[in-house]
Amino acid sequence: GQNIDQPTEMTATEGAIVQINCTYQTSGFNGLFWYQQHAGEAPTFLSYNVLDGLEEKGRFSSFLSRSKGYSYLLLKELQMKDSASYLCAVMDSNYQLIWGAGTKLIIKP
Amino acid sequence: TAGITQAPTSQILAAGRSMTLRCTQDMRHNAMYWYRQDLGLGLRLIHYSNTAGTTGKGEVPDGYSVSRANTDDFPLTLASAVPSQTSVYFCASSRGDNQPQHFGDGTRLSIL
Repeated sequence: GQNIDQPTEMTATEGAIVQINCTYQTSGFNGLFWYQQHAGEAPTFLSYNVLDGLEEKGRFSSFLSRSKGYSYLLLKELQMKDSASYLCAVMDSNYQLIWGAGTKLIIKP
Repeated sequence: TAGITQAPTSQILAAGRSMTLRCTQDMRHNAMYWYRQDLGLGLRLIHYSNTAGTTGKGEVPDGYSVSRANTDDFPLTLASAVPSQTSVYFCASSRGDNQPQHFGDGTRLSIL
């Protein structure tokens, strides 16, 4: 079966750095997406990785290792507004997204 | 503002009744999707459409139907609602394969 694993909840301090991990087992791979979802709102797109390595976008970076079935989202200089759930999703061989349950990130002052 | 509009925002529905959730996008995206999101679970795909005139079944299609008469609209119908269909429903669209999906604000549906 297809499976996406990510931690249920993480806590970090304002101004710090946090890394959210995602491991996956899917039938085929056509890219990995990270989304941010604030409570009661819609998911919004953060990043896309299809090749191994690090993609940087301002305070957010995403890393992919296809051989290990592993990705992480790195958030730097954390702000209170970064408190949200972070969703990892993998596009399988049928170009359908398989979603993890999300990691709830709590930022403390 | 360009994007995806879902209606209604929320609804309480008696079991056995039918309901259509509406979704309209103005980005001229080819692909559209319906998901349900339940606590502790990832988004689960109900139905999708790669282009106007075509639809496909996702992971959890039972009890739901869709149509795609044109590019902009992708309604989701529950023919006879059951309590297990209580969920938050998100409509999304994308330009195509490997492209990010853009989400509507969701419909919170409670079946009693």
